[in-house]
Amino acid sequence: EPEVTQTPSHQVTQMGQEVILRCVPISNHLYFYWYRQILGQKVEFLVSFYNNEISEKSEIFDDQFSVERPDGSNFTLKIRSTKLEDSAMYFCASSESRANQETQYFGPGTRLLVL
Amino acid sequence: AQTVTQSQPEMSVQEAETVTLSCTYDTSENNYYLFWYKQPPSRQMILVIRQEAYKQQNATENRFSVNFQKAAKSFSLKISDSQLGDTAMYFCASSASASKIIFGSGTRLSIRP
Repeated sequence: EPEVTQTPSHQVTQMGQEVILRCVPISNHLYFYWYRQILGQKVEFLVSFYNNEISEKSEIFDDQFSVERPDGSNFTLKIRSTKLEDSAMYFCASSESRANQETQYFGPGTRLLVL
Repeated sequence: AQTVTQSQPEMSVQEAETVTLSCTYDTSENNYYLFWYKQPPSRQMILVIRQEAYKQQNATENRFSVNFQKAAKSFSLKISDSQLGDTAMYFCASSASASKIIFGSGTRLSIRP
């Protein structure tokens, strides 16, 4: 069964460093998303992406964040200068289409720790 | 704006018992989906069940079923014959557009042997 994959599974970085989190969505899916979950809290929407552009973003998704689909398979989230409060689990998700509000399938997540 | 509320932070039941997790939501949209996601200790988000708001029939997936009360904006999850592997955090969620899913705060479910 096709699934969303994410790398790395864990990342530790120093405050102020740039990190890139990678995702490979399900191959025939067209809509891509990033969510984050701070430990012990609810999952929060960050951004959605379609047709090589951002379709919606939350207030969390400030200028320190960017997303990119550099090729036909990868979908990346970059944090330019990490802060301590960026420590969280980051989930990538993808959905097949917007019509009929297709279900989003989540990857296993990347656990980011900022020291 | 959409909101999802789960009022039970934790629940615990004996193996083989039936348990119901509560969820209420609010949305001004006419077309929306509701979901229950399971998050085991590995923290992966696993879709358990989904319900289309325009369908009156409650969704079922094996031991999992929902009680969808549209007028009351209630969407509870029933787990029958609970198993140890059902131990996880359960999130209720809604989507009124394909752009984002709004999650509740979660219910931590423990199944006791």
